[in-house]
Amino acid sequence: SAVISQKPSRDICQRGTSLTIQCQVDSQVTMMFWYRQQPGQSLTLIATANQGSEATYESGFVIDKFPISRPNLTFSTLTVSNMSPEDSSIYLCSLRGLAGGDTQYFGPGTRLTVL
Amino acid sequence: GENVEQHPSTLSVQEGDSAVIKCTYSDSASNYFPWYKQELGKRPQLIIDIRSNVGEKKDQRIAVTLNKTAKHFSLHITETQPEDSAVYFCAASIDNNAGNMLTFGGGTRLMVKP
Repeated sequence: SAVISQKPSRDICQRGTSLTIQCQVDSQVTMMFWYRQQPGQSLTLIATANQGSEATYESGFVIDKFPISRPNLTFSTLTVSNMSPEDSSIYLCSLRGLAGGDTQYFGPGTRLTVL
Repeated sequence: GENVEQHPSTLSVQEGDSAVIKCTYSDSASNYFPWYKQELGKRPQLIIDIRSNVGEKKDQRIAVTLNKTAKHFSLHITETQPEDSAVYFCAASIDNNAGNMLTFGGGTRLMVKP
């Protein structure tokens, strides 16, 4: 499996501000995703991070609120913009296509609290 | 799109007993069904998966069964241990060369009492 790191691991932010979360993988992967997991809830896909092009967003998520970058096959960022307390959640990057396989792995997550 | 339902939402068993978690899916084209275990404060970890060309898969104390006709699949844990206590998520996806996104069930909180 790959080593997946996320920064920051947690943060407490004021409403109206923005936070950028970084995801770094130690190997090239085909697909990278960003998920949100609200307290006690399941995993909800925010978007697929496409290398070199705009991300593909799921219903209910928009680029203005969650801009995503993926400049290469090992790195992606998710920004949570103009935050409100409802954005308090764990954000996880995820990847698939490691070494040609199709198992999906998850990063350690970023715990965000918005006051 | 795909919809995955998972039952029960919580499950409490005595150590040594078996635990069964069930999921149903809506899209008959789904062909890949992984199960993840998430311990408190940790990331989800894949524990077993099954593809639609087989009906059952086992790995030590864990097994998964798939009924394509009924569109449901189940996770079976035998001889449960306290370290099996966690939240378990099922998922479904259509696996093709373009890749596809996993749709997750709502999760089952399993508590194994010593």
